Amino acid sequence: EPEVTQTPSHQVTQMGQEVILRCVPISNHLYFYWYRQILGQKVEFLVSFYNNEISEKSEIFDDQFSVERPDGSNFTLKIRSTKLEDSAMYFCASSGLAVKETQYFGPGTRLLVL
Amino acid sequence: GIQVEQSPPDLILQEGANSTLRCNFSDSVNNLQWFHQNPWGQLINLFYIPSGTKQNGRLSATTVATERYSLLYISSSQTTDSGVYFCAGVQGAQKLVFGQGTRLTINP
Repeated sequence: EPEVTQTPSHQVTQMGQEVILRCVPISNHLYFYWYRQILGQKVEFLVSFYNNEISEKSEIFDDQFSVERPDGSNFTLKIRSTKLEDSAMYFCASSGLAVKETQYFGPGTRLLVL
Repeated sequence: GIQVEQSPPDLILQEGANSTLRCNFSDSVNNLQWFHQNPWGQLINLFYIPSGTKQNGRLSATTVATERYSLLYISSSQTTDSGVYFCAGVQGAQKLVFGQGTRLTINP
């Protein structure tokens, strides 16, 4: 069964450093998403991406965040200058269509900012 | 945006028991999904169920869209069922809005 993959599984970084989280969505999917989950809290939407542009973003997704689909398979989330409060599990997801299909989630990248 | 509320927040059961988890949403949704978050933090898709009833083994789910709630049933619980169960709804086009989750603990 096709699945969403994410790398790395864990990342530790120093405050102020840039990090790039990588995702390979399911190959025939059209919509891509990033969500995050701070430890012990619920999962929160960050951004959705369709047709090579951001289609929706949350208040969390400020200028420190960016997304990119650099080639036909990868989807990346960049945090330019990490803060302590960026420590969280980051999930990538993809779906065939936005509304009427299941969003499939990757296993997550656990980011720790020191 | 929509609000998603789950109950109960915590549930502790003995192996073999049955359980019902509830998800209420504040407005109509286009999509409703149930997830199980395992101890490693992975979100496992259980059901895509905007309306109606679905069953998968010991798990089943029912969504009554007109009354804005969904139920997840787990029968004959096993210790491997432990974890956090999330429901999430889509309003509008895209983003899933998650509830706070129900933490289920199944004791042997």
